[in-house]
Amino acid sequence: GQQLNQSPQSMFIQEGEDVSMNCTSSSIFNTWLWYKQDPGEGPVLLIALYKAGELTSNGRLTAQFGITRKDSFLNISASIPSDVGIYFCAGPKGGTASKLTFGTGTRLQVTL
Amino acid sequence: NAGVMQNPRHLVRRRGQEARLRCSPMKGHSHVYWYRQLPEEGLKFMVYLQKENIIDESGMPKERFSAEFPKEGPSILRIQQVVRGDSAAYFCASSLNSGTYHNEQFFGPGTRLTVL
Repeated sequence: GQQLNQSPQSMFIQEGEDVSMNCTSSSIFNTWLWYKQDPGEGPVLLIALYKAGELTSNGRLTAQFGITRKDSFLNISASIPSDVGIYFCAGPKGGTASKLTFGTGTRLQVTL
Repeated sequence: NAGVMQNPRHLVRRRGQEARLRCSPMKGHSHVYWYRQLPEEGLKFMVYLQKENIIDESGMPKERFSAEFPKEGPSILRIQQVVRGDSAAYFCASSLNSGTYHNEQFFGPGTRLTVL
């Protein structure tokens, strides 16, 4: 079945640094969604991407839909302590828009 | 504008008991989804419902699990005769549309089920 692999699995960065993470798939996706999950909470939608090559920003966050439709990237600029959490990519599963497949997650930790 | 509501937030059950998890979608949303998350893992799809209809239950275990979304009231995920392996966080999401585009799913805070 479809699988979304995220890298890095975890990262420690200093406050103020920029962060890059990516999500890759063995099959094509028509939509990419990026979520952030804080401990004990549900995922919060950050950015949605719908077209290959699309670049979308949300504040300090920028995400791109890869040209091959098999990958997506998320960048966070000038990280702050509240960026700590787990970032998941997700996309519709098996051609059906309604089921989301989630990636393996990137755990971000920020040191002061 | 209230988001997706789930209750209870935490639920403890003994093996063999029943667990009932409730989800109220965002206002105006008629599509509801349930996902399960084990520690240190991503979310796994379980079931997709619209009012009074189960659209896709391909991720639901064949036994002991059931879901409904009645005409009135919240969606319910029901687990009968719980076992320790059912311990997980269960998340509900809702969306405005279900088409290929602009079907962003918004998640609730989850119910953390612990089976003793």
